[in-house]
Amino acid sequence: GAVVSQHPSWVICKSGTSVKIECRSLDFQATTMFWYRQFPKQSLMLMATSNEGSKATYEQGVEKDKFLINHASLTLSTLTVTSAHPEDSSFYICSARQIGQGGSYEQYFGPGTRLTVT
Amino acid sequence: LAKTTQPISMDSYEGQEVNITCSHNNIATNDYITWYQQFPSQGPRFIIQGYKTKVTNEVASLFIPADRKSSTLSLPRVSLSDTAVYYCLVARTSGTYKYIFGTGTRLKVLA
Repeated sequence: GAVVSQHPSWVICKSGTSVKIECRSLDFQATTMFWYRQFPKQSLMLMATSNEGSKATYEQGVEKDKFLINHASLTLSTLTVTSAHPEDSSFYICSARQIGQGGSYEQYFGPGTRLTVT
Repeated sequence: LAKTTQPISMDSYEGQEVNITCSHNNIATNDYITWYQQFPSQGPRFIIQGYKTKVTNEVASLFIPADRKSSTLSLPRVSLSDTAVYYCLVARTSGTYKYIFGTGTRLKVLA
């Protein structure tokens, strides 16, 4: 089946620094990838939609200058948290869209990246 | 985008069949219904997807009535390892496409 990986799986950084998270579709090409954030005991919150070769579309309330998204190839999207602060500590999950049998979209999720900002 | 409503939590015992129902009253013609499972500190895992009637795979069944305003995920003979959060999602296959996660259903399987 379709596999999506994320790197790193966890990261600790100091307040004010930037952190880059990679999302890769390993066995399929994904023109569209999505980035989510999840706080403990809460549901996933969509942050942005990443389209290969074009600018990402951010959800309302998500600061595009703080969460930089780059989707430079059909198998890689990156999320950079700039000038991270403790409140950015969260579980970040990416997903990639694949067209399934019958034409429906199937979305596969990465394992997530735990970010802790100290 | 169709909003989904699920029970917040459910308890079951090992070996029982579990049915989780999701309401999506404003589902559109082009929308598919997809269910995901999520364990703590992991990304959601695809379980099953359907458009209408019944879909079955090796892990679950999905029942969708004719009006498609609800769907029921059926997990046969659950085990302790099925303890997880289950999300029902509705998204269309064309135009604006994105998953908006609801609260999900926290299933706890008891021994």
